[in-house]
Amino acid sequence: EVQLVESGGGLVQPGGSLRLSCAASGFTFSFYAMSWVRQAPGKGLEWVSAVSGSGDRTYYADSVKGRFTISRDNSKNALFLHMDSLRIGDTAVYYCAKDPSVAVAGDFHYWGQGTLVTVSS
Amino acid sequence: DIQMTQSPSSLSASVGDRVTIACRASQSINTYLNWYQQKPGKAPKFLIYATSTLQSGVPSRFSGNGSGTDFTLTISSLQPEDFATYYCQQSHSNSPYTFGQGTKLEIK
Repeated sequence: EVQLVESGGGLVQPGGSLRLSCAASGFTFSFYAMSWVRQAPGKGLEWVSAVSGSGDRTYYADSVKGRFTISRDNSKNALFLHMDSLRIGDTAVYYCAKDPSVAVAGDFHYWGQGTLVTVSS
Repeated sequence: DIQMTQSPSSLSASVGDRVTIACRASQSINTYLNWYQQKPGKAPKFLIYATSTLQSGVPSRFSGNGSGTDFTLTISSLQPEDFATYYCQQSHSNSPYTFGQGTKLEIK
């Protein structure tokens, strides 16, 4: 059974940094691209970033480009999102999501339960 | 960016009703269109990919149709567990991948 468990969320001040993690199990992690998708309170879904199965290709939404970095450790079945220069508008539940292929396809077949990031002074 | 627009934004219906949610893309996305269901406080659930292919385990009362810029999600006979918010999403372009604003399906 595919399981994705996010962690690392919390309260951070504007301008601060945070690193989110996603622990994956139930599938061969390196065979699949992964994404982060966020949802601001009471709002819709916004794709944030994606990484290929090998980690050699990364993609970002313009809203986070230059501030967020996606990475993965295939030896530990883990996905990360390092977030710098956080803004109030980054407040959201962050979900990790699994793609159906090693290349990034943008089809989010499985989702974790999410971790809440709150940016506030 | 490819903009995705859903209609209606909210919908009231009864158990047993047939409902259709529309999704329009700002440019052609071929059939690279997915649908998700989200219940309050829960993660989205993947329902349909490539416009019309049901994810494993999704009931056959769900169906998807369309191509190019216009797409629909139809639930043939609403069940109590179907009341949720539905999102369409295009996977044609990763610059960026974009979602519709959502359609909240409520019990009448």
